[in-house]
Amino acid sequence: GENVEQHPSTLSVQEGDSAVIKCTYSDSASNYFPWYKQELGKGPQLIIDIRSNVGEKKDQRIAVTLNKTAKHFSLHITETQPEDSAVYFCAATVKAAGNKLTFGGGTRVLVKP
Amino acid sequence: DTAVSQTPKYLVTQMGNDKSIKCEQNLGHDTMYWYKQDSKKFLKIMFSYNNKELIINETVPNRFSPKSPDKAHLNLHINSLELGDSAVYFCASSQRDSSYGYTFGSGTRLTVV
Repeated sequence: GENVEQHPSTLSVQEGDSAVIKCTYSDSASNYFPWYKQELGKGPQLIIDIRSNVGEKKDQRIAVTLNKTAKHFSLHITETQPEDSAVYFCAATVKAAGNKLTFGGGTRVLVKP
Repeated sequence: DTAVSQTPKYLVTQMGNDKSIKCEQNLGHDTMYWYKQDSKKFLKIMFSYNNKELIINETVPNRFSPKSPDKAHLNLHINSLELGDSAVYFCASSQRDSSYGYTFGSGTRLTVV
C-alpha cells in the first residue's frame, strides 16, 4: 500500500521567515495530495491541495509543489505568523483504493514572535 | 452550520467497558471514515463507508464495530476496551467521486483507565 514520509517532525521558525515541509510517497498511482493543519484540540483542516496534473499551486502565503518523477511534494509557508503554529500533515491518495487518504507523520511548526 | 460533528468530545472509561462514539455529517457527502490518532499524532485510517457500505477495513481488532444507519451517520462501537485503545478518534467525510477532500470532525478523546 501507499507509504507517506514527512520531514521534519518539528520546525521552529522566526516570525516573518519561511517554512518548508517535505513529503515523499511510494505509490506512483497516487493522484491527489492534500495538506492539513491541525490546531490544538481540533480536527485536521484542509489548507491546500494539489492534483497530479499540476506542478505547483499557490494560495496567498501558502504554496505546494509536486514532483511526480521523484514522488515528492512540499508545502511552503511564507511570511510566517504566530497563528501558523500548528501540526501540519501531508497526505496522498490512490483513487483505486476507495479514496483512502494515507497521512504523513506530521510536522509540528512553532513560529516564534 | 455545515459540518462533521462527533459526540462525545471526551470519554473516560474503565478497561473492559463497551462504549460508542457517534458521528453525523450534513455536507451531503456519500463517504465517511474513522481515523485513529495516537499520542505521537499519527493518523491512521480504521474504516470507510460509502453509502452505508463498508469499503475499507484496515486490520482493526474486531472489538471495533462501525455502523452506518444512513449515509449521513457513522458510529463506532468498541467492546472490551483496552488501555491501548486510548487515542483521539476522528470522523471524516468526503464525496467519493467528485472531490477527494476530507472534512474532519473535531475528534473524540478516549481515555481508558
